[in-house]
Amino acid sequence: KAGVTQTPRYLIKTRGQQVTLSCSPISGHRSVSWYQQTPGQGLQFLFEYFSETQRNKGNFPGRFSGRQFSNSRSEMNVSTLELGDSALYLCASSLDRVDGELFFGEGSRLTVL
Amino acid sequence: GESVGLHLPTLSVQEGDNSIINCAYSNSASDYFIWYKQESGKGPQFIIDIRSNMDKRQGQRVTVLLNKTVKHLSLQIAATQPGDSAVYFCAERGYNKLIFGAGTRLAVHP
Repeated sequence: KAGVTQTPRYLIKTRGQQVTLSCSPISGHRSVSWYQQTPGQGLQFLFEYFSETQRNKGNFPGRFSGRQFSNSRSEMNVSTLELGDSALYLCASSLDRVDGELFFGEGSRLTVL
Repeated sequence: GESVGLHLPTLSVQEGDNSIINCAYSNSASDYFIWYKQESGKGPQFIIDIRSNMDKRQGQRVTVLLNKTVKHLSLQIAATQPGDSAVYFCAERGYNKLIFGAGTRLAVHP
């Protein structure tokens, strides 16, 4: 059974650009959540989707957005990139609620120059 | 606001010794806690969980202890091996999300 797949794994952008990251959850998992990981702030919750609906959102500015498709695949977008957006963006999927066992992907490493 | 933190950022142990990683949480109403392990270049991996109606739970070489009185979690790893070297996170269940601690790096020396 394939795990959570995130693309791209690495990307470099410049300030002001925007970026879209993709996440394919484990087959059958309908909940997808996103986390930002930085050395200074650790793992911070971005948002969670279930059946194409955003159920919860973390304390991030409106430049961070996401969506989920009918096949449970999810994307997140960051617009007007800032240097501080450089981070590892992790996607996790689970069978139902965002608790219990979350299965994480290996992340998308974003560097903003 | 809600927060989950760790007492020690780095823990160095000798191979074969037992390791104890600690975590403090702030929300006394939290009912579910998880420990994750993250190896370099990988996403966090589930290790063990515990519900608030339990004080202790054991897995293979790992034990999680929960002290609700002082809002403290610990992860014990028995007979620590080089493959245990990683960053360990505790997490606390919030509403449709997990609240992670800052992480503790475990370094295992031969």
